[in-house]
Order: sequence, then structure tokens, then C-alpha cells
Amino acid sequence: EPEVTQTPSHQVTQMGQEVILRCVPISNHLYFYWYRQILGQKVEFLVSFYNNEISEKSEIFDDQFSVERPDGSNFTLKIRSTKLEDSAMYFCASSEQAGANYGYTFGSGTRLTVV
Amino acid sequence: GQQVMQIPQYQHVQEGEDFTTYCNSSTTLSNIQWYKQRPGGHPVFLIQLVKSGEVKKQKRLTFQFGEAKKNSSLHITATQTTDVGTYFCAGNYGGATNKLIFGTGTLLAVQP
Repeated sequence: EPEVTQTPSHQVTQMGQEVILRCVPISNHLYFYWYRQILGQKVEFLVSFYNNEISEKSEIFDDQFSVERPDGSNFTLKIRSTKLEDSAMYFCASSEQAGANYGYTFGSGTRLTVV
Repeated sequence: GQQVMQIPQYQHVQEGEDFTTYCNSSTTLSNIQWYKQRPGGHPVFLIQLVKSGEVKKQKRLTFQFGEAKKNSSLHITATQTTDVGTYFCAGNYGGATNKLIFGTGTLLAVQP
């Protein structure tokens, strides 16, 4: 079964450092997303991406965050200057199309720990 | 803003007992999806409901979408230890982005 692949599985970084989280969505999917989940809490929407541009972003997704699809397969989330409160599990997801009939496929996540 | 709440937050059952989680949106939904997240895992898509009053079944799981398309429920009959995890509903409010707003989740513990 096709999978969404995320690397690394765990990243520890110093506060103020930049991190890049990487994702390889399912190849025929057109919509890509980043979500985050602080330990024990709900899954929060960060950003959606379609046709090489951001479709929508949440209040969490401020100027410190950016996304890119640098080639045909990778989808990255960059946090420019990490804060302690950025510590969370970050999930990448993709879906085949928009609209009412398509579930998301999530990757296994990257656990980001900011110290 | 759009909020999706679930109750209960946590439920502990004996294996073989039934379980229900309820999901409520502050505004009308276009559709609702359900996901299961095993401890330490990632959300896995279970099902999507689109029509008002829709009921769908997957083996021991029954999903319902309310008539007003603002609430939903997941019922598990005769729970098994493999049902352990957090069950999230996730609302889609329409629009081209397909953004999902996840509910607060219900953690199910099943005692053998």
C-alpha cells in the first residue's frame, strides 16, 4: 500500500536553530498538508499546499514557517528559528484530490524536540 | 472559529463491552472523516460521511452523521484489545483546500 514517508523520525535542535522536516507524499496525490500534534493533544492544521503554492494556512503558521516542494517528490516544512513551544510531532499528509470524497494519508511523523 | 469537540476524552472498557464517541461541530460540516491513532502512531483514515443522516458500517464499527451535519458518532460493538487508540473525528467545511479540523479525540483503553 502506498505510504507517505517522513524524515527524520526524531530531531532534537537548539532553540533559535533552523530545522527542515522532509516528506515524500504519495506520488499521484495532488494535495499536501502539514499538521502538528503536541503530546497528548489534538492534531492541529498548519498548512495546505496545492499546485506549488500554499492554499491555506492556520494562525500557527506564522513567518517562522515555510513550505516548499523543491522537486517532483519532496515536500518540506522549514522552521526558521525554533522556539521551545515548537516541540511537537509534525505529520505530513497527502490526499488524492480536494473535496468530499478523499481521506488523508498521514506519514509516521517527525518528533521535534527544541531544547 | 470552527471547532470540533469530542466526548468523552477518555473511556476505559472491559473487552467485549461497547464503546461510543461523540463529535460535535460549532458549524455545519460539508463532510466528516474519522481517524484512528494507535499509541505512538499516526492518524489512519477510517471512513468519510457526506450525507445528512448517513450511517456506515465497517465490521464492528458504526458511523453516523447527524441530520443537521453538525454532529457524528462512532460506535464500536464488542470491543477488542486491538481497538485501543485515540479516535478522532475531523470536519471538512467545504472549499477547495480540503482542510480538515480535527476533533479533540477520545482515547479508548480496553482491558482484557
